[in-house]
Amino acid sequence: ETGVTQTPRHLVMGMTNKKSLKCEQHLGHNAMYWYKQSAKKPLELMFVYSLEERVENNSVPSRFSPECPNSSHLFLHLHTLQPEDSALYLCASSQGGSFTDTQYFGPGTRLTVL
Amino acid sequence: TQLLEQSPQFLSIQEGENLTVYCNSSSVFSSLQWYRQEPGEGPVLLVTVVTGGEVKKLKRLTFQFGDARKDSSLHITAAQPGDTGLYLCAGPFRDDKIIFGKGTRLHILP
Repeated sequence: ETGVTQTPRHLVMGMTNKKSLKCEQHLGHNAMYWYKQSAKKPLELMFVYSLEERVENNSVPSRFSPECPNSSHLFLHLHTLQPEDSALYLCASSQGGSFTDTQYFGPGTRLTVL
Repeated sequence: TQLLEQSPQFLSIQEGENLTVYCNSSSVFSSLQWYRQEPGEGPVLLVTVVTGGEVKKLKRLTFQFGDARKDSSLHITAAQPGDTGLYLCAGPFRDDKIIFGKGTRLHILP
């Protein structure tokens, strides 16, 4: 238990569906992250939020839309996804927004796009 | 080309054996981190190495940062089934991103 929870743990969706992934951290951290972990690629950083403001967007397609309503919650809204978007989506948090800060990861949401 | 190359990609050994896995780069990193990820879980930080030549020990795990800060190794002594998992190295790059290797998938046979 790292203090970062993610729901749902598993999600299967069609390409025309709209769904959202939720992340919550109970560590009092100020920064939160979304990562994508595919079978054949390194862990890829998608979005970074520091003090609820987005500071990093690594050229992620617009079909992924993040939302950070407060420092404890992070959402990833999904729409019109492609089968290649199937992956493990990991949320993480850290005390500050520096990449040298220790990041604490949640267990991930296993997403399958049919 | 990966900024952080990890080798081997897969390793399966018997309980009690020793092993070393590697994380190599042609770039200099201010620090490198090692994570272990177990099935169904997110990565968990094991250690951060900061100084060139630094050696850190975590029970049966020994981490070393290369003198030039371009590579790191993880040595496990007397491996146990609980060591099974995906070992990832990662480092901050150009102050605005963190880079991960693809990982070494380790399986310890009882």
